[in-house]
Amino acid sequence: NAGVTQTPKFQVLKTGQSMTLQCAQDMNHNSMYWYRQDPGMGLRLIYYSASEGTTDKGEVPNGYNVSRLNKREFSLRLESAAPSQTSVYFCASSSVGDEQFFGPGTRLTVL
Amino acid sequence: EDQVTQSPEALRLQEGESSSLNCSYTVSGLRGLFWYRQDPGKGPEFLFTLYSAGEEKEKERLKATLTKKESFLHITAPKPEDSATYLCAVSNSGGYQKVTFGIGTKLQVIP
Repeated sequence: NAGVTQTPKFQVLKTGQSMTLQCAQDMNHNSMYWYRQDPGMGLRLIYYSASEGTTDKGEVPNGYNVSRLNKREFSLRLESAAPSQTSVYFCASSSVGDEQFFGPGTRLTVL
Repeated sequence: EDQVTQSPEALRLQEGESSSLNCSYTVSGLRGLFWYRQDPGKGPEFLFTLYSAGEEKEKERLKATLTKKESFLHITAPKPEDSATYLCAVSNSGGYQKVTFGIGTKLQVIP
C-alpha cells in the first residue's frame, strides 16, 4: 500500500498563475483533508471532505478550491496564486473522527 | 474554540537522558488526542491516539498519557534517531470533523 500520495513534490509559480495539487489514498478512507503548514503556525485546515461527494471549508479556505473526484482522490486548486500562498501543503485521510494519515507534502513557492 | 499548546518549543537532550513533552488542550468535548512525529521535509507520521483521561499507550521508547487538560509524551533513554518534531492534535466530538494541531516540540537528541 502506498498510503497517501501527493503530486507534485515541488512547484514554483509566478503571481497570478494557477495550479492543481493532486492527492490520492489507497486506504479506503472516507475523509480527506488539505492543510498548509507555515513556520510558527502549525498545520491549518484549508478544506476537507467528509465523504465522497461532499466538501467543506476549513480554517483558511480563501484563494483555494477543491474537488473530491472519487473516494480515492482529492485535489486542491489555486486559481490565481499569491505570494501569501507560499507554503508546504499536506493532504491527509482518515476514517471518520480517527487519526489522520498524511502524504509527503508539496512545497510551493509563489514569486 | 479548540486550542492546543505544546511546550517546550524546542528540547535538546543527551542520548539516554529521559524527558517529557507537554500538550495542553481545551476542546468542546474530546473525541481523541493524537501524537504525531514529523521529520524534516516529510509529512507527519501517526504515533498514538488517546481517547479518555487515564489512558496510556507505548511504542518503543515513547509513552503517551492523557489527563482531562493535558497529555504528556514521555521519552525514555532517547537515541539520536528520535530527533524530530512531535505534534499534538485534538478532535472534538461535534459533527464538524475538525482537528486542531499544536505547533510542535522540536526534539534534538545529541550522541
